[in-house]
Amino acid sequence: DIVMTQSPDSLAVSLGERATINCKSSQSVLYSSNNKNHLAWYQQKPGQPPKLLIYWASTRESGVPDRFSGSGSGTDFTLTISSLQAEDVAVYYCQQYYGTRRTFGQGTKVEIK
Amino acid sequence: QVQLVESGGGLVKPGGSLRLSCAASGFTFSDYYMSWVRQAPGKGLEWISYISSGDETTSYADSVQGRFTISRDNAKNSLYLQMNSLRAEDTAVYYCARYRLAAIMDYWGQGTLVTVSS
Repeated sequence: DIVMTQSPDSLAVSLGERATINCKSSQSVLYSSNNKNHLAWYQQKPGQPPKLLIYWASTRESGVPDRFSGSGSGTDFTLTISSLQAEDVAVYYCQQYYGTRRTFGQGTKVEIK
Repeated sequence: QVQLVESGGGLVKPGGSLRLSCAASGFTFSDYYMSWVRQAPGKGLEWISYISSGDETTSYADSVQGRFTISRDNAKNSLYLQMNSLRAEDTAVYYCARYRLAAIMDYWGQGTLVTVSS
């Protein structure tokens, strides 16, 4: 199975500042047949199910604010929140859908400094 | 609008069985792959299984292979997870999720809690 490793495990950012979360896969999730990275990002707030933010590594889901962006390719990916808002406090997960068995990163908790 | 509603969770003794259901509405259920994902208390997300739209293909995480069985009834717009030989480490909130393009989990239910304890 593909192992997904996120860093850091948690971070505290001031309101309006940038938050950056990294995700590394144990093998490339770039699928040659469609030239797309099979990687998604989810946001989970306490007591709620996960919410899809980003797929194909950089495509924002409909309705997701444009302060959220995804980048990277192959094995190294980044989720950036350009200007942290209070409502962005949550745990963020990366997930690969390259392998038949989907796997998630361990999660990164984002808090307000 | 897309809705996924899980049910069937509860308290069960180790070694026992439980069947979870997920009722889908707001979309053509038979067109979509579906999945189960779980989250142990205070822990991260763990994908555990998926099933193709026509029930031809299933896949399981090693942690549940041979004990859990995913199935669906497209006529009833329902997804199921039969869980046997339950262990304490199966205690978790179980979510059903829809796969867009047979790949991306775009809609999730609110989850149902399964507690395995004597």
